[in-house]
Amino acid sequence: EIVLTQSPGTLSLSPGERATLSCRASRSVSSNYLTWYQQKPGQAPRLLIYGASSRATGIPDRFSGSGSGTDFTLTISRLEPEDFAVYYCQQYGSSPRTFGQGTKVEIK
Amino acid sequence: EVQLLESGGDLVQPGGSLRLSCAASGFTFSNYAMIWVRQAPGKGLEWVSAITGSGSSTYYIDSVKGRFTISRDNSKNTLYLQMNSLRAEDTAVYYCAKGSENSFPYYIDYWGQGTLVTVSS
Repeated sequence: EIVLTQSPGTLSLSPGERATLSCRASRSVSSNYLTWYQQKPGQAPRLLIYGASSRATGIPDRFSGSGSGTDFTLTISRLEPEDFAVYYCQQYGSSPRTFGQGTKVEIK
Repeated sequence: EVQLLESGGDLVQPGGSLRLSCAASGFTFSNYAMIWVRQAPGKGLEWVSAITGSGSSTYYIDSVKGRFTISRDNSKNTLYLQMNSLRAEDTAVYYCAKGSENSFPYYIDYWGQGTLVTVSS
């Protein structure tokens, strides 16, 4: 099983600042089959990034994904008020499909 | 517009059974894999089970094998999760989700709003 470790656990930032979220895999993620999801309280997750770096339909370009192998990053270039949420990475290259434990981006 | 509407969540005693349903619309249901993901209260996400578009292939995480059964009725655009021998650790919001394709590798591109399953005496 691939274990995904996200860091930091919580990121305290102000609107307008840059957010950098990390997702590290216990072994290489096949073909960079990695997604990022955003979840707000009481809501379902929403797909942001697939294939490590491709933005999903309708996702603003302030969201970008990068990385390969075992190290992946989600960057939010300038935080908007609606971006404060929990973010999860997930790998879909091997079974079982696994999620990271999440990074909470909170308002400082 | 893709819509996924779960139902069937309830309070059930340990050892009991429950069947979740997910009504899908806005896409050709039979062309896509479908997934159930759960989230225990205050916890992260766990991919529970998946099924291919035709229903011919299924997947389960180890902790639910032999207890849960995923199925689909493509004529009704509906996904199911039959849950038997429920345990307290199965307590969670269960999300129905759409796969990006019918076959590996697929990721989740749409999620339902979830239905709460509580296992408690």
